[in-house]
Amino acid sequence: EIVLTQSPGTLSLSPGQRATLSCRASQSVTNSYLAWYQQKPGQAPRLLICGASTRATGIPDRFSGSGSGTDFTLTISRLEPEDFAVYSCQQYGSSPYTFGQGTKLEIK
Amino acid sequence: QVQLVQSGAEVKKPGASVKVSCKASGYTFTNNFMHWVRQAPGQGLEWMGIINPSGGSTSYAQKVQGRVTMTRDTSTSTVYMELSSLRSDDTAVYYCAREGLRIKAGTFDIWGQGTMVTVSS
Repeated sequence: EIVLTQSPGTLSLSPGQRATLSCRASQSVTNSYLAWYQQKPGQAPRLLICGASTRATGIPDRFSGSGSGTDFTLTISRLEPEDFAVYSCQQYGSSPYTFGQGTKLEIK
Repeated sequence: QVQLVQSGAEVKKPGASVKVSCKASGYTFTNNFMHWVRQAPGQGLEWMGIINPSGGSTSYAQKVQGRVTMTRDTSTSTVYMELSSLRSDDTAVYYCAREGLRIKAGTFDIWGQGTMVTVSS
């Protein structure tokens, strides 16, 4: 199975700053079938990005995804207070679907 | 609106079984695959398996294969996940998650609210 490794484990930034989160796969992700989710405490995950770079419905354009092969990035251009959460990547190019362990984005 | 509503929290003893339900509304139940994903306390998300609500076919993760059964009831638009021979490391929040269509196929675009299952003697 494909192992996804996210870095950093925790990212401390201030509102207005730019956040860059990494997701690295143990082998190439077929067709860049890579998604990103946001999860706040006590809530279910929310789909942000599919196909490595396509924003889901209703997701603000400050969220962007990029990458291919084994290296993927989620960028939040200007952090808003509501963006502080845990972000997880998921690959769906190969069975079983797998998730990264998450990056916690916290307020500095 | 589209939503998935899950059954309530459960506390079980080791060796017991648990059955969690997930009722779908606001869309055509048989149009989308449904998945189950779990999250142990403080840990990442773990995919458990998939069910096709249309025909009932399933596929399970190797880690839970042999202990998990996913079923559906099309008359009530409900999917079920039953996990047997529970162990302490099955303690987690269990989510049902709808698979998206077209460009979102393979991703989880709607999630249930989660069901906490605690396994403790």
